[in-house]
Amino acid sequence: DAGITQSPRHKVTETGTPVTLRCHQTENHRYMYWYRQDPGHGLRLIHYSYGVKDTDKGEVSDGYSVSRSKTEDFLLTLESATSSQTSVYFCAPGTSGGVSYEQYFGPGTRLTVT
Amino acid sequence: EDKVVQSPLSLVVHEGDTVTLNCSYEVTNFRSLLWYKQEKKAPTFLFMLTSSGIEKKSGRLSSILDKKELFSILNITATQTGDSAIYLCAVATINDYKLSFGAGTTVTVRA
Repeated sequence: DAGITQSPRHKVTETGTPVTLRCHQTENHRYMYWYRQDPGHGLRLIHYSYGVKDTDKGEVSDGYSVSRSKTEDFLLTLESATSSQTSVYFCAPGTSGGVSYEQYFGPGTRLTVT
Repeated sequence: EDKVVQSPLSLVVHEGDTVTLNCSYEVTNFRSLLWYKQEKKAPTFLFMLTSSGIEKKSGRLSSILDKKELFSILNITATQTGDSAIYLCAVATINDYKLSFGAGTTVTVRA
């Protein structure tokens, strides 16, 4: 699991409220990623980071923002949660060494927006 | 836009059967193809295939990469109920450090 934790693990929130999910890694990985997983869609990239304060959008970034002020922490914020953001969210630090490139996933956060 | 397609979407087999999962891709500047297994939790890494490693094997699981025809196969022999899971295929490109995932294949192994 490459020393990855996510918090909270489960959250129920109401439409319109802000929500922040936290990913913490202990292996000093440069790259970190946030995905959401929904039935029939596999894993879809929301945002990713390639260093402290360096982030970029993925394929489903609308309604989400991220911040990375320290190597070990990558935060995902839903500015104003909507029911369409009910999903399971996975964080994944990535390792890279030449042609090798792997990602290892955190345990996930199940978010329900009512 | 990068494209990764897995087939079939789901299948049901009996213990002892052999399963073959397919993953085809269309990406620019291919780097590597990865297989993950997901039970009722986070995906766990199985294999990575690259230009320099087009065949991998671990126990009853094996995988090949055909870079010419742009696909990969994951085989599971002598299946067990513990093989029941979603199997995800992902492709990495040289341009960046992102993975593009297929929708996954759900495998159910019945006793």
